[in-house]
Amino acid sequence: QKEVEQDPGPLSVPEGAIVSLNCTYSNSAFQYFMWYRQYSRKGPELLMYTYSSGNKEDGRFTAQVDKSSKYISLFIRDSQPSDSATYLCAMAYDYKLSFGAGTTVTVRA
Amino acid sequence: DAGVTQSPTHLIKTRGQQVTLRCSPKSGHDTVSWYQQALGQGPQFIFQYYEEEERQRGNFPDRFSGHQFPNYSSELNVNALLLGDSALYLCASSALETSGETQYFGPGTRLLVL
Repeated sequence: QKEVEQDPGPLSVPEGAIVSLNCTYSNSAFQYFMWYRQYSRKGPELLMYTYSSGNKEDGRFTAQVDKSSKYISLFIRDSQPSDSATYLCAMAYDYKLSFGAGTTVTVRA
Repeated sequence: DAGVTQSPTHLIKTRGQQVTLRCSPKSGHDTVSWYQQALGQGPQFIFQYYEEEERQRGNFPDRFSGHQFPNYSSELNVNALLLGDSALYLCASSALETSGETQYFGPGTRLLVL
């Protein structure tokens, strides 16, 4: 079993829809939870990070962590075609990141 | 701020050869981590360098080695290349004390082994 499992997708949504992305994890030692966005043939770009259970909001993005269920989510409101990318969840223990496999999202204009 | 830079952008090698990839971290960062990203997969941690020493290592064979220089830049070396080493190699920089939550990635070096 992988340490981090991510819903594989792909997802295709119309412009303006809410995008919901999810990951589960098995290692209780993870201390930080991140979401990265990766455009085709580019390096990952850090979107958000959090370290506690609950919600964290940044503009159209909301990250949610449930440590008791070992489950994290990212919600993108009012999605735009420019949000089309692969989204990677990542979790950190002792400064080392473990990533999910990524979910590719396409927002249709 | 130039951000994290990596060179070269693309590289083609044949099996058995050796390769060296380079990374310059963001200004103010002292820690460099290397990741391998196979097609359709998430990045896998190779190792991390801090104060010119390998601080942590992932599940990669000894064919993968690295170095960090006094100016914090870093190299990744891979010996005896295998077809399975074809991947995007990513460098991430951070300040050690915030490496848990904020690692910033470069654009990567795409390695193809024939």
